[in-house]
Amino acid sequence: AQKVTQAQTEISVVEKEDVTLDCVYETRDTTYYLFWYKQPPSGELVFLIRRNSFDEQNEISGRYSWNFQKSTSSFNFTITASQVVDSAVYFCALSEAILSGGSYIPTFGRGTSLIVHP
Amino acid sequence: ETGVTQTPRHLVMGMTNKKSLKCEQHLGHNAMYWYKQSAKKPLELMFVYNFKEQTENNSVPSRFSPECPNSSHLFLHLHTLQPEDSALYLCASSQEPGENYNEQFFGPGTRLTVL
Repeated sequence: AQKVTQAQTEISVVEKEDVTLDCVYETRDTTYYLFWYKQPPSGELVFLIRRNSFDEQNEISGRYSWNFQKSTSSFNFTITASQVVDSAVYFCALSEAILSGGSYIPTFGRGTSLIVHP
Repeated sequence: ETGVTQTPRHLVMGMTNKKSLKCEQHLGHNAMYWYKQSAKKPLELMFVYNFKEQTENNSVPSRFSPECPNSSHLFLHLHTLQPEDSALYLCASSQEPGENYNEQFFGPGTRLTVL
């Protein structure tokens, strides 16, 4: 069974601070995908990144960066120089490559609410 | 319209009412999903449709009935709901399989309150 743990329920920072959101996962598969989504107050989840289990390269996209460590089963997300617009709930998710009937069942963490104060 | 749209955005219903949630995707995807997001629980996958065929029913009570008439539209029919069914219901779509495997695009959700 797959499981995603986001231990941080809420993080509060002041603008321009760096912040790291933790994600730890459990899976018995060797092939899987990890994701981060952002949910702003408007409600819709916005896809941020997908990483497959064979690609441990860290990724940077502007102020966002992701650190994938298979040895610790973690996929952490860092926002550099945070801004008020980064305030949202961030979800980490895991999908095992099952393709049952051509679909998959993702497992989401409980989310981390990030509040960036001006 | 672009992306994934959901109507209504807010819905209040009594336990004896029958209502439907609608989702439409304008992305040319072939898979659509219903999720339930409650305040105290992680995001829960309810149903998956791939090429209009239901491929997953994640142990959802029968008072929730999905319908997918084509790959662009997805409905969730509701009847005799319970107050604990109050939640944000999110629809998503993706292209499966494809280069952007598993990348789901979400709608804004329907905030449902059951009285």
